[in-house]
Amino acid sequence: SQQGEEDPQALSIQEGENATMNCSYKTSINNLQWYRQNSGRGLVHLILIRSNEREKHSGRLRVTLDTSKKSSSLLITASRAADTASYFCATVTGGGNKLTFGTGTQLKVEL
Amino acid sequence: DAGITQSPRYKITETGRQVTLMCHQTWSHSYMFWYRQDLGHGLRLIYYSAAADITDKGEVPDGYVVSRSKTENFPLTLESATRSQTSVYFCASSAKVRTSGANVLTFGAGSRLTVL
Repeated sequence: SQQGEEDPQALSIQEGENATMNCSYKTSINNLQWYRQNSGRGLVHLILIRSNEREKHSGRLRVTLDTSKKSSSLLITASRAADTASYFCATVTGGGNKLTFGTGTQLKVEL
Repeated sequence: DAGITQSPRYKITETGRQVTLMCHQTWSHSYMFWYRQDLGHGLRLIYYSAAADITDKGEVPDGYVVSRSKTENFPLTLESATRSQTSVYFCASSAKVRTSGANVLTFGAGSRLTVL
C-alpha cells in the first residue's frame, strides 16, 4: 500500500511561475524526502525534512512538513523548463531504512 | 566509473523464462534496494539488503529472488517470468546523510523489462 499520495497528479505551468505539490501520508514518520525523476531516468534525491522540522530550503526548493496533518508540500519557485519531471515524496518510518514512495506528481513547465 | 549501474537497460523475454537483472554500486553502501515502477502504483519495494548476505522482503516480493554475496552487487532474478512482471526496475543504494543521520537513496538508470 502507498504511504504517500501526491496531489495533484499532474500540473502544467508557465516558465517563471511557482509550482506547488502536496504529499499526504498515513502513519508517523521519521523523515520525508522528495525525489525528481526525469523521463526515462532514475530518481534523484532533492531534499529531506525530518519529523521535528517544519520547513527546509534548498536553492529554489522549499519543503514544509505538518506532522499533525500528516502532509508535506514542495514548492519550486521561478520554475524553468528543465524542472519538467515527475516528483515523488517518500517516507521513512520508525528506525527503518526503507523508503515508501507515493505515486508522484507530473510537472510540465512550458516556455 | 563511480556510481550505480544496472544491466541490461532493456530486456524482452517470454513467459516462463528466467531473467536476472544486475545492479552494481561502487560506493560500498551498506543498503541496496530493488523497486519496480508501474503506472498508477509509483515505486514499490521488492527486496532490500542491509549488508552482504542479509536480505529481506519488501512490499511485492512474490516471484522474485535476490542474493548479495558481495557488498557491491545485488542481482534480482525472476525465476519464471510472468506478464505481470513487465515493468521498469530500479536498483538503489543508500548512504546516510551526515547532518540528519537519515538514509538517502541513489538510483540506477533502470531496467525496462517486457515479458511477452
